[in-house]
Amino acid sequence: DQQVKQNSPSLSVQEGRISILNCDYTNSMFDYFLWYKKYPAEGPTFLISISSIKDKNEDGRFTVFLNKSAKHLSLHIVPSQPGDSAVYFCAASAPDSWGKLQFGAGTQVVVTP
Amino acid sequence: GAGVSQSPRYKVAKRGQDVALRCDPISGHVSLFWYQQALGQGPEFLTYFQNEAQLDKSGLPSDRFFAERPEGSVSTLKIQRTQQEDSAVYLCASSLALNSGGYTFGSGTRLTVV
Repeated sequence: DQQVKQNSPSLSVQEGRISILNCDYTNSMFDYFLWYKKYPAEGPTFLISISSIKDKNEDGRFTVFLNKSAKHLSLHIVPSQPGDSAVYFCAASAPDSWGKLQFGAGTQVVVTP
Repeated sequence: GAGVSQSPRYKVAKRGQDVALRCDPISGHVSLFWYQQALGQGPEFLTYFQNEAQLDKSGLPSDRFFAERPEGSVSTLKIQRTQQEDSAVYLCASSLALNSGGYTFGSGTRLTVV
């Protein structure tokens, strides 16, 4: 059973515009959420995280929003840059799980000039 | 080292062959995870070590999969009698402490079973 879902396999956005990536989860025990970025032939790189006690976390061009009632989080990238072209994974963990992460299937972002 | 190092980067195994995948975590990192990533999917948890103790192996798909970290540093994931469905990228991640935020992943080992 997929507890973390990224329903958009791909996203194309123009350079300078906003990229919005969405993620839904089903496990109400999840209390920590992360976004990872992955280039081909490399491992995922940590981007930004948010605890369930917050509803927003911002780091430079990246902002993550958490809506606990809807079990939904999103990642906003503003402005999008060509180097942002990558696969983005949403991940979540529960407090009793040794920090084990459940990942979504990923969203391929392509930033066009 | 500066990052998590995994070897080999690529491995082609004949069905039925045993393979061993190595992970060198960042020095001093207590937590170590193994994940399996099939094509077009997100990473899926296999097993977790805290130092040399394997605290969770609930994600290992079968008893053909075995992981160890005998001295609390380098870890090896062994797959016996490989099957075609074992073909995937195997990722190792480490962190200084549990739930310390984003784990550092290695570049992975791509295993192809033919």
